[in-house]
This record gives sequence, structure tokens and C-alpha cells, in this order.
Amino acid sequence: QSALTQPASVSGSPGQSITISCTGTSRDVGGYNYVSWYQQHPGKAPKLMIFYVTNRPSGVSDRFSGSKSGNTASLTISGLQAEDEADYYCSSFTTSTTLVVFGGGTKLTVL
Amino acid sequence: QITLKESGPTLVKPTQTLTLTCTFSGFSLSTTGVGVGWIRQPPGKALEWLTLIYWDDDKRYSPSLESRLTISKDTSRNQVVLTMTNMDPVDTATYFCTHMTVTSASWDSWGQGTLVTVSS
Repeated sequence: QSALTQPASVSGSPGQSITISCTGTSRDVGGYNYVSWYQQHPGKAPKLMIFYVTNRPSGVSDRFSGSKSGNTASLTISGLQAEDEADYYCSSFTTSTTLVVFGGGTKLTVL
Repeated sequence: QITLKESGPTLVKPTQTLTLTCTFSGFSLSTTGVGVGWIRQPPGKALEWLTLIYWDDDKRYSPSLESRLTISKDTSRNQVVLTMTNMDPVDTATYFCTHMTVTSASWDSWGQGTLVTVSS
């Protein structure tokens, strides 16, 4: 069982917006702004999409945005495209002895 | 441009020790604020953080695996080495080497990963 809780799957049609949640505790998501999101296509390495809750690395589409409220962080993808179909993972640094935790991953299907 | 590449055995037997090497370019592990981590992913499952080494040789380990893990760096050769003792079939996974900085607190560059199978 992963330390951060994500929905197993979400889906949306091209052009729509979807949101993926990532729920932790006050020792990780709620206590730090060190939340990041990763996109992983089958057979590929994960790719950083969001860091520090809301920041996009250079080259990442502005269709991807992040937010946080309390112990829950969220990734929103607007204007869904077929290429967005992938697995998405959230991660956070923590105040516990487990320095880094990941979510269980969410499979995004573009209908 | 930062690149990382994992190397090591693709098959190990139960109880053996796994040694993986991460060879990187595009950054120095002697630069303040830089770290290299290892993250693994069993087939069809989620990512799991294993360990991290910082520029100042500070090392952190996942508590559930700490007794089996060792991470070290060779700054002059731009390499980080991971050893994991007493391998078990449940350790079968793709092992990724990653770059991070304390200012981003995220894994901003990843190696391609290497699949390690534990089987007799």
C-alpha cells in the first residue's frame, strides 16, 4: 500500500479537463510544498511534470497545472489530448524517516 | 543536458547481492544542492523510493530497506553505486537512477531504467 492515495483510474474525452487527486497527511503533502507529479508512458521512464506543487519545468505544456489544499494535492490536465494517456504519479518529501513517498499511480485514459 | 544511465546484471539469484551503477553527465555531484537517487518499479506496480545521496555525502534510505541498501558516489568518475543485499524475487523491478536538487525537491531527470529479475 502506497503512502499517498491516488485514484486508480480517471478518464476523459479529448478537449475536456480532468483532475487527479493525491491525498497524504500533515507529515508529507500537508506539511510541505515539496509535491511533484510524474507522467509515465508504457515502457518509459517517468517524466517530471510539476514540482513545488504548482511549478512546471521548462518544456512542459501549460495544460498541466498543480494545486494543493490541506493534505490533498491535485494535478489538472486541460484540453485533453491523446498523448496525455499515461500513468501519473504524485510524490512528496516528508518529515518522517521515510524521506520520500509516492502515490500508487493513476491511469489516465483518453476516450 | 543531464543524462543518467543504469548498468548492472539483469538476472540475480535469491540471496545474492545486487550492484547497480549509475553513470551520469551534465552535472557534478560535488555541486552544492545536488543529489542522486534510486527509485524502483516492480512490473505493473507503483514507484518506490529507495535511497538518495547528496553532494555532501549525506545518505538517506527507505526505512523498510535500509538494512539491505548501501549507496556511494565516485565524484571523479560521475558515478553512483547502489548495492542491495539478500535479493528476493519480490525485488524484481525496474531500477531507475534519478537527479534531484534541493531547490526543486523533485526528480527532474531519470535514467532509462534497468530491469532486474530475481530468480533461481
